[in-house]
Amino acid sequence: DAGITQSPRHKVTETGTPVTLRCHQTENHRYMYWYRQDPGHGLRLIHYSYGVKDTDKGEVSDGYSVSRSKTEDFLLTLESATSSQTSVYFCATSGLQRSYEQYFGPGTRLTVT
Amino acid sequence: AQTVTQSQPEMSVQEAETVTLSCTYDTSESDYYLFWYKQPPSRQMILVIRQEAYKQQNATENRFSVNFQKAAKSFSLKISDSQLGDAAMYFCAYRSALRDDKIIFGKGTRLHILP
Repeated sequence: DAGITQSPRHKVTETGTPVTLRCHQTENHRYMYWYRQDPGHGLRLIHYSYGVKDTDKGEVSDGYSVSRSKTEDFLLTLESATSSQTSVYFCATSGLQRSYEQYFGPGTRLTVT
Repeated sequence: AQTVTQSQPEMSVQEAETVTLSCTYDTSESDYYLFWYKQPPSRQMILVIRQEAYKQQNATENRFSVNFQKAAKSFSLKISDSQLGDAAMYFCAYRSALRDDKIIFGKGTRLHILP
């Protein structure tokens, strides 16, 4: 398995506060992704990165921003958390070859009260 | 845009029996990859099997096999000799081989194994 860690693993925060989730990988993978998983919706892509400082929006990017200043780190920021952003967040990575599958981190459960 | 559809939100199968999970996808591309991922209660996403669209032969991994019908845009997963540890959410996924892009997931099928 690719060495992918996410921090924190659990977080409870209040509406209106900023939140940053971190994804760290040790595999030197080019691509990194942030998903949210909600019942009935499966995995929905928030943002992804195809290289350092190269990012693009996914299907549910509103209210989220990302940054990637190093190959190994991909940060997801909720500028002002809302209750609708309560979810489980997954980071994933993928190697250079497009046939490579995505490797997933363990997930972060975020609750916005 | 590509889409992936899993029409069975939940399924149940008796232990040791065989079960097939359905997946259809929509694409205008001819070169792509398809995946099945498993998500057990631990939440960890695990790759079960991968199929390259240019290969006619169906992929197999031990008790897991696929029925890939390219013309019908169908990619079903067959689990033989079902075991209690197979209980999980299963996601079908699509990735273009042509574009520097993301993997698209279906909404998942929750599989229950009955002892």
